Formats: sequence, C-alpha cells, structure tokens
Amino acid sequence: GAGVSQSPSNKVTEKGKDVELRCDPISGHTALYWYRQSLGQGLEFLIYFQGNSAPDKSGLPSDRFSAERTGGSVSTLTIQRTQQEDSAVYLCASSFLRPGQGETFFGQGTRLTVV
Amino acid sequence: GQQVMQIPQYQHVQEGEDFTTYCNSSTTLSNIQWYKQRPGGHPVFLIQLVKSGEVKKQKRLTFQFGEAKKNSSLHITATQTTDVGTYFCAAWHMDSNYQLIWGAGTKLIIKP
Repeated sequence: GAGVSQSPSNKVTEKGKDVELRCDPISGHTALYWYRQSLGQGLEFLIYFQGNSAPDKSGLPSDRFSAERTGGSVSTLTIQRTQQEDSAVYLCASSFLRPGQGETFFGQGTRLTVV
Repeated sequence: GQQVMQIPQYQHVQEGEDFTTYCNSSTTLSNIQWYKQRPGGHPVFLIQLVKSGEVKKQKRLTFQFGEAKKNSSLHITATQTTDVGTYFCAAWHMDSNYQLIWGAGTKLIIKP
C-alpha cells in the first residue's frame, strides 16, 4: 500500500477484555515495529520483527502482550485482559532496511481506551 | 540498555524566535535520525545524519552530528506556527540489537 495502515483507528474496550490491533506495513518492508505512546509522552518500544528472524520482544511490558507477523507482512498486536494503564496510542512502523539505515514510516496509530 | 538523552522536554518560544533541541549519548552512535510529530499525528522522518561533524540544512532547519558522533542537535531559525509539534531524535548503533533508540522528544510550543 501507499503507507503503513493500522486498524482500528480508535478502540474502546472494557477492562478485562482482549483486543487485537492490526498493522499492514508498506509492501516490501522487512522491518516492522510496534510502539506505545501515552499522552504527551515519548515512544515506548514494544516489539520488532525483521524478516524471518525471531522477533525482539524485549519491550513487551507483560505476558498479556503478544504480537505476530504472518507471511512477513501483516502484524497483529494482541493485548489480553486489558487494564486501564494499557490506554495509549499504539503505533506501528515499518522500514525497508534495518533500523537506522533508512527512513522509518509510521502508521496513524490505534488509540486504545480501556474503561 | 542504550539511551539517548534529549533536552529540553519543552520549549516555549515567541513566533519568530529560534528553537534548539539536543540529543546526547554516552556511547558512539552509528547514525542519528530526526522525526517530527505534529499534535495528534504520528512521527514523520525529517533527516538522517551519518558522518562525524555532519551538518545538513532543510530551509530553516539545521541538523548537526557531533565530531565524536555522541551528540546531535536540531536548530530551527525564526519559528513559525507550522513548526509546532514534538521533535524526536532516534539513534542507531551496533550494540542496540538493531533497534532504534528514541529520545524522549522536545515539544515546541509557540506562545500566543
């Protein structure tokens, strides 16, 4: 596609429910990242996929968070048993090369609100 | 883990005044990128610096990479309302497990 696409753009969920956030990266981009951004804050790294390599999950805040990337393209971030502190904007990004070797393109984000 | 310190957290300026944000690392960086995030938007790539002492300009924006490749700055001359947003640096070096290490961002606020 023309850019990184994320869905849904907004998600309101009840505490304790599971949510799935989807990211469709730019075609051909081998690197895909998930970040979390709380209001007025910086970017919190969650997970990084590079090609067929094992993902770097070092940023996932708890075992309630998981992500997968199917066929080296679309990625899904799943949050189980959501908590109010999970409320944030979840940003997906992709790049053609390894991090820092070229531009990283961000999606518009999914704003998650846990009530 | 590797960190990049970015200061200041906020900068309030009158329209027409200059703005500068700084990023510093304790270790040598392979390169550094700068991004701008408009209010309600997502980060958008501005530029990448690779060489020691590199200086690049984009109209009113000047980007510098230190001689030791441990610090970088973004300077905006004569700010305009369109410059409002948060500016992030993002650095990469070989010890970062191929992650971009992000600064906390500097928010540029234009005083009314």
